[in-house]
Amino acid sequence: EVLLVESGGGLGQPGGSLRLSCAASGYTFINYVMGWVRQAPGRGLEWVSSITGSGTDTHYAESVKGRFTISRDNSKNTVILQMSSLRTEDSAVYYCVKDSGYCGGDCYLPDAFDLWGRGTMVSV
Amino acid sequence: SYVLTQTPSVSVAPGETATVTCGGDNIGSKSVHWYQQRPGQAPVLVIFYDRDRPSGIPERFTGSNSGDTATLTISRVEAGDEADYYCQVWDDVSDHYVFGAGTKVTVL
Repeated sequence: EVLLVESGGGLGQPGGSLRLSCAASGYTFINYVMGWVRQAPGRGLEWVSSITGSGTDTHYAESVKGRFTISRDNSKNTVILQMSSLRTEDSAVYYCVKDSGYCGGDCYLPDAFDLWGRGTMVSV
Repeated sequence: SYVLTQTPSVSVAPGETATVTCGGDNIGSKSVHWYQQRPGQAPVLVIFYDRDRPSGIPERFTGSNSGDTATLTISRVEAGDEADYYCQVWDDVSDHYVFGAGTKVTVL
């Protein structure tokens, strides 16, 4: 079964840090761009960050640039979002997402998000 | 940055057709993707590349894209279609994925 499972959410302090993790299964992980999308309570979807299959190229929304760091461990099929300098406006459900484009290595051709995790709540 | 504009809400009777629009500057030149988010659930991709359906998505869901407007059409609406619908594109200028604010589809 193709699946994304997030963990690591919870209560964080303003100015503090939290680390989110996403475990992927059921497909060849290294061949796809992975990312995070968040949704504040009662609000819409906001893309947060993405990372290429090799992990060498990362991209961030302006709202989190310089504070959040995305990484991946292809040996463990895992994506990490390290969140620092937390703000109250970072409170949201954070979804791990898989880009649909078959694009391994350093390739970055953003497409649709064809797989979503169930999300993990972050409260600051 | 690139902005996508969606009508906040649409109401439709069962069996009728719901039309959800997504406006953007020359959006017809971009690939538009649509997501359905039922209450309390994660979003699900229902249309990609303007008009393609992932496996498992009913043929009642169709998409189009031209000029400054992309459209998601839901035919023969059912109670289970009640959800928020989001359009999304990739903006190559900002190098960002961009979502519309979402449209709440209510089935009367």
